[in-house]
Amino acid sequence: EVQLVESGGGLVQPGGSLRLSCAASGFTFSSYWMSWVRQAPGKGLEWVAHIKHDGTEKYYVDSVKGRFTISRDNAKNSLYLQMNSLRAEDTAVYYCARVVSGSYLDYWGQGTLVTVSS
Amino acid sequence: SYELTQPPSVSVSPGQTARITCSGDALPKKNAYWYQQKSGQAPVLVIYEDTKRPSGIPERFSGSSSGTMATLTISGAQVEDEADYYCYSTDSISHHWVFGGGTKLTVL
Repeated sequence: EVQLVESGGGLVQPGGSLRLSCAASGFTFSSYWMSWVRQAPGKGLEWVAHIKHDGTEKYYVDSVKGRFTISRDNAKNSLYLQMNSLRAEDTAVYYCARVVSGSYLDYWGQGTLVTVSS
Repeated sequence: SYELTQPPSVSVSPGQTARITCSGDALPKKNAYWYQQKSGQAPVLVIYEDTKRPSGIPERFSGSSSGTMATLTISGAQVEDEADYYCYSTDSISHHWVFGGGTKLTVL
C-alpha cells in the first residue's frame, strides 16, 4: 500500500524558515518523480514544485522560486521542501504527492499545516 | 501563464447528472485530470488522461474532452459525491503544472 506521510509543519514568523519532510513507503520511491502541492485555508489547490526521480531536474511555481528548495533522499525514501523567507501568503496545508508518467499525481499524503504569522 | 477555468459551483438533486467543465487553451494538446476533495481530506484522483477511471472509482464518474474544454460527468450523482472538484493539466514548455480554481458540487 502506497503511503505518504508529511511532517515538519508549524507556526513560523514572517521571514523565517521551515523544512517539510515526506516519508514514502509501499512503492519504489527512487523510480518516481515527486511533488509538493499546497492549499491555503479555504482556497484551491496550488502546485508548488516537483522533482525528477534522480533529483536532477526540479521545477517551481514562480511565487516560490528562489525561496523554496525541493530535494529528495532516495536512500531514505524521503522528500523534502526547504522553505525560506516565508510570507503570510505561504500559509497553507502542504501535501506531498507521487507523480505518475512524469505528469500527474496519483497518491497524496494527508498534508501538514504551515502557518506564517507574527 | 497557463490557466484552467472552472465554474465555482454546480448543484444537482440526487440521481441527476452533474457536469463540471474545465476550460484551458492547452487542453487540445494536453490531457486533463480530475481530483475530488471532500472536506478535511486529501484530494483523490477520479479521472486521468481525459477519460480513464482509476481502480476503485465508481463507474458513474466519467470524463471527456473536446477542443479547449474538458468535462467531468457524474451520472446519477449521490449525496456522498458532494465535494470540491479540481481539474489539472500540465504545461510541457514551462514544466509548470496547473490546477483549476475548483468547483463545489452540492447534491441535495
